[in-house]
Amino acid sequence: EVQLVESGGGLIQPGGSLRLSCAASGFTVSSNYMSWVRQAPGKGLEWVSVIYSGGSTYYADSVKGRFTISRDNSKNTLYLQMNSLRAEDTAVYYCARGLGNFDYWGQGTLVTVSS
Amino acid sequence: SYELTQPLSVSVALGQTARITCGGNNIGSKNVHWYQQKPGQAPVLVIYRDSNRPSGIPERFSGSNSGNTATLTISRAQAGDEADYYCQVWDSSTVFGTGTKVTVL
Repeated sequence: EVQLVESGGGLIQPGGSLRLSCAASGFTVSSNYMSWVRQAPGKGLEWVSVIYSGGSTYYADSVKGRFTISRDNSKNTLYLQMNSLRAEDTAVYYCARGLGNFDYWGQGTLVTVSS
Repeated sequence: SYELTQPLSVSVALGQTARITCGGNNIGSKNVHWYQQKPGQAPVLVIYRDSNRPSGIPERFSGSNSGNTATLTISRAQAGDEADYYCQVWDSSTVFGTGTKVTVL
């Protein structure tokens, strides 16, 4: 059974850093496109970043230069390192398998950026 | 950047048919995917590549795509279909629609 479990969210001050994790089971992270998608409170879905199976990474303009996506193949885990956090980064962050479409999603982890 | 426009809300009587549109420039040339999201839950893929249903999704959900509009159709609507629905395409990057809240009366 495919499962994605996010962790690492919390309350952080503006300018701070946070690393999100997404532990996968039932499939191999490194063999798939893996993405992060976020949803601000009461708002729609926003794609954040993707890592290809070959290791290439891409980012939304809103996070480029501040966020870094990576994976640990030995742990079958996806990460999102978030630096220089802003209030507008407040959202539930989902990891999802895919790029063209997302067939599996985690339950999400809430990141709140506030002083 | 590419934009996808959806109606803010759609209401449907129990047992009737709901149609949710997703407008985009020449969207008919792209693969459109649809997600259902219930309150407090992660999105669920209900239609991929315009009209294909993932395993476990009822046949009541169907999709079409032509010209500048893609459509998600929910037949014989049930109370459990109440949710937000998002369309999504790939156009240099992943783009989501604005989302539609479906209410079953």
